[in-house]
Amino acid sequence: EDKVVQSPLSLVVHEGDTVTLNCSYEVTNFRSLLWYKQEKKAPTFLFMLTSSGIEKKSGRLSSILDKKELFSILNITATQTGDSAIYLCAVEGAGNNRKLIWGLGTSLAVNP
Amino acid sequence: GAVVSQHPSRVICKSGTSVKIECRSLDFQATTMFWYRQFPKQSLMLMATSNEGSKATYEQGVEKDKFLINHASLTLSTLTVTSAHPEDSSFYICSANANEQFFGPGTRLTVL
Repeated sequence: EDKVVQSPLSLVVHEGDTVTLNCSYEVTNFRSLLWYKQEKKAPTFLFMLTSSGIEKKSGRLSSILDKKELFSILNITATQTGDSAIYLCAVEGAGNNRKLIWGLGTSLAVNP
Repeated sequence: GAVVSQHPSRVICKSGTSVKIECRSLDFQATTMFWYRQFPKQSLMLMATSNEGSKATYEQGVEKDKFLINHASLTLSTLTVTSAHPEDSSFYICSANANEQFFGPGTRLTVL
């Protein structure tokens, strides 16, 4: 059965800290892995990763994929209180309908 | 990025009534849209895949006669919760594919 596992489930840090969020997967015929940030409303897209070893970067956020070991990490440097959110990892597998398989998310709280 | 809208953003209704939620892709065409449900502090749960011009594909455990999906055009999918009950109260989110999946802002349904 396809599955996506995120860790940790919850994390509390102080402003300025660096955090690493993990996402491991077992999905038939992997196509891509996506990271989303969810605050109070619907998730907002962060990154899509399809190739191993190529880091994607956006400001203080970066992410990388390892297709051999079947995991991805999301790094946030110099965290701010506005980074507090649930970070969701999803993997797109086989099939033309592009259905995503979701992890349970990591709840990040950044304290001042 | 691509824009997906949902209407209404919030609805409160009495038990036994039906509620229709609209999902629109505003600046692109989407042959496939997805409907999710999210309970508090839980991850997204895929309910069904909405296919333009054909029947929706429902996930296991989701009643197709209770959650009616219509995808009549390339920019609009609707989810109707029929005979809603308090246990249907949840956050309903749709998404549509451009290059990545983009999410609507969600509809918070409260059934009294």
